[in-house]
This record gives sequence, structure tokens and C-alpha cells, in this order.
Amino acid sequence: LAKTTQPISMDSYEGQEVNITCSHNNIATNDYITWYQQFPSQGPRFIIQGYKTKVTNEVASLFIPADRKSSTLSLPRVSLSDTAVYYCLVGDIGGATNKLIFGTGTLLAVQP
Amino acid sequence: DTEVTQTPKHLVMGMTNKKSLKCEQHMGHRAMYWYKQKAKKPPELMFVYSYEKLSINESVPSRFSPECPNSSLLNLHLHALQPEDSALYLCASSQEEGDQPQHFGDGTRLSIL
Repeated sequence: LAKTTQPISMDSYEGQEVNITCSHNNIATNDYITWYQQFPSQGPRFIIQGYKTKVTNEVASLFIPADRKSSTLSLPRVSLSDTAVYYCLVGDIGGATNKLIFGTGTLLAVQP
Repeated sequence: DTEVTQTPKHLVMGMTNKKSLKCEQHMGHRAMYWYKQKAKKPPELMFVYSYEKLSINESVPSRFSPECPNSSLLNLHLHALQPEDSALYLCASSQEEGDQPQHFGDGTRLSIL
């Protein structure tokens, strides 16, 4: 299983760019990297997914170096509403669900 | 708004009660999941249903009994729960088992007295 390691928490201010890095040294060839966001008392919400290099959507970018042993979620110009827990997951899409395990997550606190 | 609907949002029950949690999705997904999440912890997988059949049981105690009546509905029957079972119970679905992303409901906050 590809275990993930993330910082427990991060602080930021409104308008700043936030980069959250996830380590996954044992990532397998078929594994994808998926990030979720979770607000208190809500279910996790999909943010972005990637396999290699860079992926960008309307809310975030995901940077994956060539060795794929880590990935960085980039949130541009955060606001107070981005305060949440961010989870990095690594697993084989379409493979055994057991391989999709939530790590400890990163609590991002955005201050005014 | 979430595409996966869970009811009730909150549930308080005694240790001798029998209750059920319900989950519904109309996205045509063939895989549905139950997760348990304790405060300040990540979600932990409990059960997986694929095409209405139980695919994975993560060694969950028998006081939790899942049921998938049809492809859109997922129930979790509760009986004789313990105080340590108090948690947020999340339902999720995906196109096929193991697919990402999974679509989560907002959960049922369960408190055992």
C-alpha cells in the first residue's frame, strides 16, 4: 500500500497561494494521486486528480515530479472559506478499494 | 448540495435501540461505500457494495449490518451499539468499485447514549 504523509496543519492569510505537499514514497506504477477537501460536519469533496506532471482545474493545481514520490496541491489566492482539512490519497483507479486509504490530512487555517 | 443524500443528519440512540441510516444516489453509480469518521480523524472504510452485492467488509462488528436494496439505496442497520460507536457515518458512491473520485454525502452524526 502506498502510504501518504502530509503536514498536520498549515496557516495562511487571505489572498496568499498555499502549497500542501504529500509524500508517497511507495507509489506504484498504476497509482493515481487524488486530493479531497473536507469542511467540518460535511463529507469530503473531490478537488483534483493526477498521474504525472501538472494538472490544473478551476480551483487548484496539482504538481507531480517525475519520480512521483511526492505531490503538491496548490491553492491560488486562498480565502477564509478554504479553511478545511485536505486529504491526499494514492491508489489504483479501478483497483481494490482497500488501497484507497485516507491519510491524516492537513488542516489548513486561513486567517484574514 | 451533494449528489449523495444521507438521512437522518443527526441521530441519538440508546445502546439497546435499533435504528437505520439511509443513503441515496441517483448518478447511476454501481459502487457504494460506508465510512466511519471519528472527530479529528480521517474517514475509515467499513463496507463496499458493488452491483448491490457486498464486496468488502473491513472486519466491522456485527452490530453494524449493511443492506443494499437496489442500485440507488444503501442502508446501515444499527443494533446494540456502544458509546465508542459515536461518530460521523459517511456514505459515498463511485461509478465502479475502486473508482475515483468518490462522491460523498454529508453524513449522519450518530451519538450513542
